[in-house]
Amino acid sequence: AQSVTQLDSQVPVFEEAPVELRCNYSSSVSVYLFWYVQYPNQGLQLLLKYLSGSTLVESINGFEAEFNKSQTSFHLRKPSVHISDTAEYFCAVIASPYGGATNKLIFGTGTLLAVQP
Amino acid sequence: DAGVTQSPTHLIKTRGQQVTLRCSPKSGHDTVSWYQQALGQGPQFIFQYYEEEERQRGNFPDRFSGHQFPNYSSELNVNALLLGDSALYLCASSLRQAAGYTFGSGTRLTVV
Repeated sequence: AQSVTQLDSQVPVFEEAPVELRCNYSSSVSVYLFWYVQYPNQGLQLLLKYLSGSTLVESINGFEAEFNKSQTSFHLRKPSVHISDTAEYFCAVIASPYGGATNKLIFGTGTLLAVQP
Repeated sequence: DAGVTQSPTHLIKTRGQQVTLRCSPKSGHDTVSWYQQALGQGPQFIFQYYEEEERQRGNFPDRFSGHQFPNYSSELNVNALLLGDSALYLCASSLRQAAGYTFGSGTRLTVV
């Protein structure tokens, strides 16, 4: 069965410092990988996704993630965080040889990024 | 372009009651998935509807049922509510064969 592990439940970091949120997945088939962000009392917003091609994917607000098949990881990084980045971040996987909208997202338990001034 | 719309935003119900949550997908999307997010947890897949049929189902009891209408909107019904059903219920829409889910803001259900 597929699963997603987010190793850190909370990551405190000072403003303008770099951050890495870790995500590992378990799957015996090819996967699509996602990072979602959730602000308090809101739904999920897609931050970035890996479907195929380049293993390094970037978001419009400075986050990036790298798909590492050998380590089954999809860690999220940002070189300099802002107070406004404070939120819950969820890693998710769609595990299927053919992917597509007919397959469910499997989420990790989330990592709270707490940016301090 | 409206995104995914869910109603109501908040709901309080008593144990044993029944509840219906509603979801309108993003324009152009034809597939609706429902997720339950308990406090402090990641979302858990409940089921997915496409062409008015349940296509996939997660590990949820039969008390959880759904429906999709010809206009692609969807309802989630939960019968015989338990305290443990208290959660944020998220609806996500997508276009079949495209791995791009758009989530709504959710319905916060509290069972007392």
